[in-house]
Amino acid sequence: AQSVTQLDSQVPVFEEAPVELRCNYSSSVSVYLFWYVQYPNQGLQLLLKYLSGSTLVKGINGFEAEFNKSQTSFHLRKPSVHISDTAEYFCAVSVDSSYKLIFGSGTRLLVRP
Amino acid sequence: EAGVAQSPRYKIIEKRQSVAFWCNPISGHATLYWYQQILGQGPKLLIQFQNNGVVDDSQLPKDRFSAERLKGVDSTLKIQPAKLEDSAVYLCASSFRRVGNTEAFFGQGTRLTVV
Repeated sequence: AQSVTQLDSQVPVFEEAPVELRCNYSSSVSVYLFWYVQYPNQGLQLLLKYLSGSTLVKGINGFEAEFNKSQTSFHLRKPSVHISDTAEYFCAVSVDSSYKLIFGSGTRLLVRP
Repeated sequence: EAGVAQSPRYKIIEKRQSVAFWCNPISGHATLYWYQQILGQGPKLLIQFQNNGVVDDSQLPKDRFSAERLKGVDSTLKIQPAKLEDSAVYLCASSFRRVGNTEAFFGQGTRLTVV
């Protein structure tokens, strides 16, 4: 069975500072990896996904993530955050590239001025 | 392009009552998902449709939950009878294809409170 662990429930950071949100997964088969963002009272929005190819994936809003198979990680990074990046971020995996996803518990990014 | 529409946005019911949620996916999207998101947790898949057929309902509590997607377009999710632990946000998502380089779009969800 697959599982996703997001190690930090909340990450506070100052505006314009860099941030890394950590995600580790467990799976006995190859997986596809996703990061979603959820703003208050909103649905989920896809930030980026890794299906194959380059392990460095660039997404929307200046975010990027790197797939590390040996460490079973898919950490999300942004070099300079804005107040508007304050939201909940979810890492997810799929075993067949569909959106039958297994989500982590989420990391709340809190950007302070 | 219109997004995934869900209604109602909020619902409060007493335990043992029944409730139904409605989802209208993006036009042309063959695959539809229902997720349950309990407060403080990530979403959990309840059921996946491909057109009007069920692909996966292994995590749907079938003793109280049911879902249908008539004509392969709109979908309804029903809970009967509701329990306190069903309090959650119910998210609907749709994608053009089931697999491959496609994207699933999520609706804003229906927040259910069972009292």
